[in-house]
Amino acid sequence: TQLLEQSPQFLSIQEGENLTVYCNSSSVFSSLQWYRQEPGEGPVLLVTVVTGGEVKKLKRLTFQFGDARKDSSLHITAAQPGDTGLYLCAGLWEYSGGGADGLTFGKGTHLIIQP
Amino acid sequence: DSGVTQTPKHLITATGQRVTLRCSPRSGDLSVYWYQQSLDQGLQFLIQYYNGEERAKGNILERFSAQQFPDLHSELNLSSLELGDSALYFCASSGDSSNQPQHFGDGTRLSIL
Repeated sequence: TQLLEQSPQFLSIQEGENLTVYCNSSSVFSSLQWYRQEPGEGPVLLVTVVTGGEVKKLKRLTFQFGDARKDSSLHITAAQPGDTGLYLCAGLWEYSGGGADGLTFGKGTHLIIQP
Repeated sequence: DSGVTQTPKHLITATGQRVTLRCSPRSGDLSVYWYQQSLDQGLQFLIQYYNGEERAKGNILERFSAQQFPDLHSELNLSSLELGDSALYFCASSGDSSNQPQHFGDGTRLSIL
């Protein structure tokens, strides 16, 4: 079973601080997606990265895909209480076989930004 | 609003029973995916349908089945329910090729008493 390790599992920081969430695997991804989920709602797509070394920015959020396409990170600058939520990385394996397109999710990072 | 509609939002039933969860994908999306989210396992892929045909299977139990209808809506059938089946069940949809982003509904919360 291919695993996608996400860390940290829980993170509570003060407003204005910076943070980084990591997503790692021993296998290669064809693409990786980051989602944010709030209670009572489904995951909402933040970004998709496809190319090794790719960096994408979404306001104060910076997403990076590792050169070998086995890992990714999400960096939040000057975190705000509105950033509170569950952040999930999800990948499509490069050799998923049979054309399977189901995402493999990490267990998520529960982020709390205290005012 | 993702455009993916799931019903019902909440479902409470007893062990041994059978339930059907329904999903309407975003307009134009041909692929429908079902996921199960539990506290200990996180989000797990169950099954994918593409334009009415089963395309991929993940960690789906034999007691569970799904189908996609000609109008592209999908149903997930869960039978012989056990306490451990209590979870959030999400449907997602995407366009017609791999690597297209998946858009999630707000889920059905299933509680088995």
